[in-house]
Amino acid sequence: KNQVEQSPQSLIILEGKNCTLQCNYTVSPFSNLRWYKQDTGRGPVSLTIMTFSENTKSNGRYTATLDADTKQSSLHITASQLSDSASYICVVSGGNEKLTFGTGTRLTIIP
Amino acid sequence: GAVVSQHPSRVICKSGTSVKIECRSLDFQATTMFWYRQFPKKSLMLMATSNEGSKATYEQGVEKDKFLINHASLTLSTLTVTSAHPEDSSFYICSARGTGPGQPQHFGDGTRLSIL
Repeated sequence: KNQVEQSPQSLIILEGKNCTLQCNYTVSPFSNLRWYKQDTGRGPVSLTIMTFSENTKSNGRYTATLDADTKQSSLHITASQLSDSASYICVVSGGNEKLTFGTGTRLTIIP
Repeated sequence: GAVVSQHPSRVICKSGTSVKIECRSLDFQATTMFWYRQFPKKSLMLMATSNEGSKATYEQGVEKDKFLINHASLTLSTLTVTSAHPEDSSFYICSARGTGPGQPQHFGDGTRLSIL
């Protein structure tokens, strides 16, 4: 069964600090992996996308990594800001382009 | 680019009424649109996939007579929750995917449905 697991479920950090979110998946075959940011009451917004051959992808203060061998990905947020408070969802696309969603990490940045 | 507009953003109505939610791709043509439901603190759950001009494909456990989906054009899909009841209260999100292989899904901002 295709699954995407994320950890931690929730995280609280001080403004300005860095943090790393984890994603493990068992989706096969694998097409690509995306990290989304979802603000409360809004739809998900794509941060990064990585295919099988890509190990890292950056988007501003967001850096995603992918290890296709161990089927793990991480999202690193540098110098966090209050506006980073949101849910971060790891989404894996399989061979049929069907998406498998992780349950998300709820990140709270406190001043 | 790739903007998906969902309307309304919030709706409150009485039990027994039907509610229509619209999903539009504003600057691209979407041959495929998806409808998701999201419960509090949970991730998105795919309800159905709709392709322009054909019947929607529903996921297991989703009642097609309860959740009517129409995808009449390349830029518009609608979800109608028929005879809504309090248990249908949820956050509904649509996404649209452009033509061609490997195109990503672009998500709308969701509709908060509350049935009294």
